[in-house]
Amino acid sequence: TQLLEQSPQFLSIQEGENLTVYCNSSSVFSSLQWYRQEPGEGPVLLVTVVTGGEVKKLKRLTFQFGDARKDSSLHITAAQPGDTGLYLCAGAWNKLVFGAGTILRVKS
Amino acid sequence: DAGVTQSPTHLIKTRGQQVTLRCSPISGHKSVSWYQQVLGQGPQFIFQYYEKEERGRGNFPDRFSARQFPNYSSELNVNALLLGDSALYLCASQSQPTSGFGEKLFFGSGTQLSVL
Repeated sequence: TQLLEQSPQFLSIQEGENLTVYCNSSSVFSSLQWYRQEPGEGPVLLVTVVTGGEVKKLKRLTFQFGDARKDSSLHITAAQPGDTGLYLCAGAWNKLVFGAGTILRVKS
Repeated sequence: DAGVTQSPTHLIKTRGQQVTLRCSPISGHKSVSWYQQVLGQGPQFIFQYYEKEERGRGNFPDRFSARQFPNYSSELNVNALLLGDSALYLCASQSQPTSGFGEKLFFGSGTQLSVL
């Protein structure tokens, strides 16, 4: 059984702070995706990482895929209240396997 | 272009009843997947359909069934509802079935099912 563990489960920070959330698994994935979900909405894809060691940047968000393709991290620089939401990682095999998510709250 | 549409948005049922949830994918997308998201958890894969054929099934009991129509819309049926079936049911569409290389899924806003 593939299992993705995300940490921390909940993060509350002040506007302007930096943060990192983690996604770890004992399984190797073909690719890994990060989604952001707001209350009452479905998840929205932020990025897909495919190659071990890959780093992708999306404005203030930096995503990294581990060399062994078992883990990933999401770093947000200078967080803003609009970054508030549930951040989900999902490993792709023949189906998508989601972690439980990290709830991020950015206070102004 | 319209995104993925799901209906109804909210639903209240009692234990033992049956429910049908509906999903219309993005125009041109032939694959639909269903996910269950319990409060505080990530989405759990239920089914994937491509070109009207089942292409994947998650670890859910036989009370859960689905089908895809010629216009690629889909229905998810749940029989003999249990309290534990209360969740947000998400539909996602993509142009092709998941092969493991990061196809982009587009999710609908979901149907919030409450079983009393």
